[in-house]
Amino acid sequence: DQQVKQNSPSLSVQEGRISILNCDYTNSMFDYFLWYKKYPAEGPTFLISISSIKDKNEDGRFTVFLNKSAKHLSLHIVPSQPGDSAVYFCAARDKAAGNKLTFGGGTRVLVKP
Amino acid sequence: DAGVIQSPRHEVTEMGQEVTLRCKPISGHDYLFWYRQTMMRGLELLIYFNNNVPIDDSGMPEDRFSAKMPNASFSTLKIQPSEPRDSAVYFCASSLGTAFTGELFFGEGSRLTVL
Repeated sequence: DQQVKQNSPSLSVQEGRISILNCDYTNSMFDYFLWYKKYPAEGPTFLISISSIKDKNEDGRFTVFLNKSAKHLSLHIVPSQPGDSAVYFCAARDKAAGNKLTFGGGTRVLVKP
Repeated sequence: DAGVIQSPRHEVTEMGQEVTLRCKPISGHDYLFWYRQTMMRGLELLIYFNNNVPIDDSGMPEDRFSAKMPNASFSTLKIQPSEPRDSAVYFCASSLGTAFTGELFFGEGSRLTVL
């Protein structure tokens, strides 16, 4: 049973446009949500996070939205740049399970120049 | 500052052989995680340690997999005997529990190919 799901395996967007990545979860005990970015042959790196007590967090071109009632979060990248081409993972923490994170399957983003 | 260091970066072995992957977490971090990335399952947690003690190993696929953390600066993930379906990228990550913001720091991964 996948507690964190990213239903879109890939996304292609034109440079300068908005990229919207979606993530759904099932565990109502998740209290922290994060997005990680991964380039080929590298480890995932932290991008942005949001606490379950908030509904929006913004950091430069990246904004994460959380809809707790729908158990859904999204990552907006605007404007998208070619360097944003990577795999993006959604992750969530269950506060009762220590620091471990449960990851989604990832979404591969391609930003076309 | 040095990040999480994993070795080897690449490993090619034959079915039935023993494989040992190594990890050095960031100094001062008290949590260590082993994840595996595959096309089918994405990033899945295998096991994690807190203060060198295994906390949750429910993600370890089967008895062929074992992990140890003899001290705060070193951990191993062993597969014995290895099988072709173990082929994946294995990531080690560490974090600081008292300053938790959810962020894990990942190594560059060990790509394992079992022929």
